[in-house]
Amino acid sequence: DVKVTQSSRYLVKRTGEKVFLECVQDMDHENMFWYRQDPGLGLRLIYFSYDVKMKEKGDIPEGYSVSREKKERFSLILESASTNQTSMYLCASSFPPSNEQYFGPGTRLTVT
Amino acid sequence: GDSVTQMEGPVTLSEEAFLTINCTYTATGYPSLFWYVQYPGEGLQLLLKATKADDKGSNKGFEATYRKETTSFHLEKGSVQVSDSAVYFCALRRSGGGADGLTFGKGTHLIIQP
Repeated sequence: DVKVTQSSRYLVKRTGEKVFLECVQDMDHENMFWYRQDPGLGLRLIYFSYDVKMKEKGDIPEGYSVSREKKERFSLILESASTNQTSMYLCASSFPPSNEQYFGPGTRLTVT
Repeated sequence: GDSVTQMEGPVTLSEEAFLTINCTYTATGYPSLFWYVQYPGEGLQLLLKATKADDKGSNKGFEATYRKETTSFHLEKGSVQVSDSAVYFCALRRSGGGADGLTFGKGTHLIIQP
């Protein structure tokens, strides 16, 4: 079974802090994704990566950056957390040609 | 741009009732279509998919048919169970090769009462 793990299920940070959300997949998938999930808005794509050190902006990249130094690990970085970044963050991975996405359990981030 | 519209809930049904959750999409070309399910406290799981017109995806008693003429991918189940209570997301992936994120609908919260 594909396993996508995220470093924390719950995280509380203060405004202005630098926040790292980590995601690891164990199936040698090429593609990895970060989404945020908000009530009434569904899931929105923040960033994705199709290879080590490669990244592409999604629909809402502002205020976020990403890092992919190893194939199995994809990090989401909030350079200076703000209260409007309080959300559920979901990581996913996929592989061609099916490109089915497998999701982690999510990190619920609260910024106070 | 691409978009997915699905009925918003909550949708409340009795056990053994027939379920339909509507989903329509806007996209260029021939997207792949998906239904994901999210149980309380968990991430999303792929429920079923269809990659071309008239394809029917099915899994765990759920079905959805890719209708290009109506740009729809409605989810159906003949007899729901309490364990089907969850949030259901319709999603599309643009056609073409390479990595690409999914475009999701806002989700439909389904509540099944015994």
